[in-house]
Amino acid sequence: AQSVSQHNHHVILSEAASLELGCNYSYGGTVNLFWYVQYPGQHLQLLLKYFSGDPLVKGIKGFEAEFIKSKFSFNLRKPSVQWSDTAEYFCAVRDDKIIFGKGTRLHILP
Amino acid sequence: DAGVIQSPRHEVTEMGQEVTLRCKPISGHDYLFWYRQTMMRGLELLIYFNNNVPIDDSGMPEDRFSAKMPNASFSTLKIQPSEPRDSAVYFCASSSRIETEAFFGQGTRLTVV
Repeated sequence: AQSVSQHNHHVILSEAASLELGCNYSYGGTVNLFWYVQYPGQHLQLLLKYFSGDPLVKGIKGFEAEFIKSKFSFNLRKPSVQWSDTAEYFCAVRDDKIIFGKGTRLHILP
Repeated sequence: DAGVIQSPRHEVTEMGQEVTLRCKPISGHDYLFWYRQTMMRGLELLIYFNNNVPIDDSGMPEDRFSAKMPNASFSTLKIQPSEPRDSAVYFCASSSRIETEAFFGQGTRLTVV
């Protein structure tokens, strides 16, 4: 059965700092990987996705993620965060169903 | 398309009452997912459908929970009887095929008092 582990539950950064959120998954087959963002009081929205090809994928709002198959990882990065990036971030893996990690709450200090 | 539509947006009910949450997926999508979000447990998959057929309901917490998808444009999640520990935000999501992402509805915030 697939599972997703997000290492950081709560991250606090200052504006302009660099961000990296960890995500590891457990699944033996071909996977599709996602990062979603949830702003306070809102629903989940897709940031980026990986299905195949270039392991470095770029998403919206300057986010990117790197798929490292040997490490079963799909970490999310952003070189310079903004106050508006304050939100909760979810990593997800899909074979048929979609399983989410427990999320990382990101708080950006102005 | 208007996206995934859930109703009601908020529901407050008394313990023991029946609660029905509704979802209209995006037209043409074959997959429909029901999730529950709480602070303690995060985002849990309750059940998902493919072409209106329930594929995996192993996440449904107990027999008090049931879900149906009578046609491609409508699904319900029912809790009977409801309990305070069912209080959560319930999300419905849909997608077209495996190689695509799921699109989420706005959620239903359920409070059982």
